[in-house]
Amino acid sequence: KAGVTQTPRYLIKTRGQQVTLSCSPISGHRSVSWYQQTPGQGLQFLFEYFSETQRNKGNFPGRFSGRQFSNSRSEMNVSTLELGDSALYLCASSPYVDSRTDTQYFGPGTRLTVL
Amino acid sequence: SQQGEEDPQALSIQEGENATMNCSYKTSINNLQWYRQNSGRGLVHLILIRSNEREKHSGRLRVTLDTSKKSSSLLITASRAADTASYFCATAGSARQLTFGSGTQLTVLP
Repeated sequence: KAGVTQTPRYLIKTRGQQVTLSCSPISGHRSVSWYQQTPGQGLQFLFEYFSETQRNKGNFPGRFSGRQFSNSRSEMNVSTLELGDSALYLCASSPYVDSRTDTQYFGPGTRLTVL
Repeated sequence: SQQGEEDPQALSIQEGENATMNCSYKTSINNLQWYRQNSGRGLVHLILIRSNEREKHSGRLRVTLDTSKKSSSLLITASRAADTASYFCATAGSARQLTFGSGTQLTVLP
């Protein structure tokens, strides 16, 4: 099976712009989660989608949003970019079968740099 | 915010030695997972241990979980240079979102 794929891998934007990141989960996985990784805050949960519905959201401002399509692919959007949004954005997929044993499999990440 | 801390923050050992990393967390969990990350790339899943398990093995990896102390440890036996990476523990509750520790940077010297 192909792993989780994320596009683009690298992105450079300027303050005030918006950006859309894409994630394709492992075939058959119905849940997609997004995480932000920065040197200062570490790995932080952004949101989780299942069956095109946001099931859970982390403590991030409304500038961060996402969606999931019927084929389970997901996108996240960040509007009005700030310098502090520079980070590695990681997408993870899981089968969403049993919360006790569901493993999340991560993609390679999108490195976003805001100038 | 992060669930807890990992200890040590950095660990440097010789090839062939064992490496032990510890993780503490704060809330009740469904499971605890360990991940490896090479140089700011994606996270590779290593092992999952359920809250009702105390020990689990996978190849050269041994994970223990003590829910009464809210702590876990990851042991890598007979370390190799290729094991050099950052290691993160992550806890999952019923909501499934992962809450990560701060990570341990492991360097295995050839």
